[in-house]
Amino acid sequence: GENVEQHPSTLSVQEGDSAVIKCTYSDSASNYFPWYKQELGKGPQLIIDIRSNVGEKKDQRIAVTLNKTAKHFSLHITETQPEDSAVYFCAASRGSQGNLIFGKGTKLSVKP
Amino acid sequence: DSGVTQTPKHLITATGQRVTLRCSPRSGDLSVYWYQQSLDQGLQFLIQYYNGEERAKGNILERFSAQQFPDLHSELNLSSLELGDSALYFCASSPGQGRSQYFGPGTRLLVL
Repeated sequence: GENVEQHPSTLSVQEGDSAVIKCTYSDSASNYFPWYKQELGKGPQLIIDIRSNVGEKKDQRIAVTLNKTAKHFSLHITETQPEDSAVYFCAASRGSQGNLIFGKGTKLSVKP
Repeated sequence: DSGVTQTPKHLITATGQRVTLRCSPRSGDLSVYWYQQSLDQGLQFLIQYYNGEERAKGNILERFSAQQFPDLHSELNLSSLELGDSALYFCASSPGQGRSQYFGPGTRLLVL
């Protein structure tokens, strides 16, 4: 079955710097890759997603890139702010199945 | 606020007991997914329903069962509870297969 590896497990940056989180997946049939932000005591919040027919997608300070050949995708956050501090999860799924396979998460700390 | 509601927010019970967790999907969403989040296993898919029918099963124990009702709300039943069942249980909903999933705030289950 699908396996998603996520790195790093923790990331600390200064406010205003960029943060990059990387994920690799094993199932070449996976075609949908969402990213979630989870704050303490809350449910995962969908922040951006990308499908396999697209190489890059941007939404303000957040971008995701996908390399299907290498089977990896990355989350880029620019101009980080303290409120970006949270745990970020990547996930993968086959559109035909729908259920998400999650990475282990990255705890991002943005220091003011 | 994702629009997905879950009750109760917290649940404390004893080993051997049975509990029911409830989820109401976003308006118009036909798919409901259940996930378990624990420190050692991360976020794991349990089961999916689409318009009242079971669509996919993940790592769901035989002691656990779920259903989706005609009004599209779903219930996850956990029986013969063990200490290791203590976790966060999330429900997510989407309009259909392979579409973006939106998570509820979760139910924190503590088995003593």
